[in-house]
Amino acid sequence: GAVVSQHPSWVICKSGTSVKIECRSLDFQATTMFWYRQFPKQSLMLMATSNEGSKATYEQGVEKDKFLINHASLTLSTLTVTSAHPEDSSFYICSARWASGSTDTQYFGPGTRLTVL
Amino acid sequence: GQNIDQPTEMTATEGAIVQINCTYQTSGFNGLFWYQQHAGEAPTFLSYNVLDGLEEKGRFSSFLSRSKGYSYLLLKELQMKDSASYLCAVRDHGGSWGKLQFGAGTQVVVTP
Repeated sequence: GAVVSQHPSWVICKSGTSVKIECRSLDFQATTMFWYRQFPKQSLMLMATSNEGSKATYEQGVEKDKFLINHASLTLSTLTVTSAHPEDSSFYICSARWASGSTDTQYFGPGTRLTVL
Repeated sequence: GQNIDQPTEMTATEGAIVQINCTYQTSGFNGLFWYQQHAGEAPTFLSYNVLDGLEEKGRFSSFLSRSKGYSYLLLKELQMKDSASYLCAVRDHGGSWGKLQFGAGTQVVVTP
């Protein structure tokens, strides 16, 4: 299957700082990437849809000024958590859409665990 | 919107078979996905159904009935490593860029 990477895999930061998370599709081009957040023992929550060369589409209740998304190329999307606070501590996971022939699916990155002190 | 329902937890013994059901009510439909997620890790793609019928991949099979809004994931010859959460997800169509809506997940516990 397709491979998606995320960096960093974990990060600890002080309250008020900003953190950037990168998501890369390693062996395919992804016009669409998605960003999710997952709290312990809860399901995935879609935060936003990221399309190359255009503004991200945010889900209801997700602050676009706090979670900045940039999809600069067909293989890279970044999520920046601005002015992070302890309540932003979570597991952030990206996925990339891969469409080829009759296959059209999403592959997930390994996730980034963010802890805000 | 979409409602996706799956059982919260299932327990089975090693070597047995377990079937995880998923029902959905959607305004549109363009595919149903199953993912496996181990604790503390990201989901791993298992299967994708867009047409009715059974898709088999080794020990895992997935079935879809679009008219009934129903799917199941069948895990055969269970192994201890199969203990994980299994997520059912439905993709809408139209202008949603293929985003998925996930069920809450079914925690499968495999016992010796």
